Amino acid sequence: SQTIHQWPATLVQPVGSPLSLECTVEGTSNPNLYWYRQAAGRGLQLLFYSVGIGQISSEVPQNLSASRPQDRQFILSSKKLLLSDSGFYLCAWSAIDSSRGVGAFFGQGTRLTVV
Amino acid sequence: AQSVTQLGSHVSVSEGALVLLRCNYSSSVPPYLFWYVQYPNQGLQLLLKYTSAATLVKGINGFEAEFKKSETSFHLTKPSAHMSDAAEYFCAVSETSGTYKYIFGTGTRLKVLA
Repeated sequence: SQTIHQWPATLVQPVGSPLSLECTVEGTSNPNLYWYRQAAGRGLQLLFYSVGIGQISSEVPQNLSASRPQDRQFILSSKKLLLSDSGFYLCAWSAIDSSRGVGAFFGQGTRLTVV
Repeated sequence: AQSVTQLGSHVSVSEGALVLLRCNYSSSVPPYLFWYVQYPNQGLQLLLKYTSAATLVKGINGFEAEFKKSETSFHLTKPSAHMSDAAEYFCAVSETSGTYKYIFGTGTRLKVLA
């Protein structure tokens, strides 16, 4: 069966420090991968999605970037964190297009607090 | 562009009462629709999905949802609320072709009163 791992679970970082959040998927090949951010009262905002290695689509301009160095690895990064980057970050995967109706499956999330 | 609107950011029901969480979608063609549940500090769990087969969809934990094209709605219901249903619920939409994005509503926090 497929599983998704996301770490760390919580992170407290000072303003101006770099960020690297990692997500890996097991048990499937060539998944679509997603990074979402959840802020209080604002639902889930899609930040990035990827349909293959090195293919990243950005949904909103921001202080973050994403990379997909391997088929089942998705990394969210920042060179210098801002206070506004605080939030709950969720990684998700879905099967390739013919199974799109199956839905997206989520990791347990990372609670990032920028201080 | 695809979007979903969830009416009511907070809903309170008594234990044993009907749960009704509302979701309306905006799309030029019927999309794929989903309901997810999130417990505090956890990821999202898929409750049920509509993919153009049956319009009444049954999911886990006794939840169901009905797709109504004429109303562009996909409301989530459960006949009898349980304390363990207290959580945040998200409606989501995915296009049936083109991009691979899942777009979520702003969520509804369900409170179950004893």
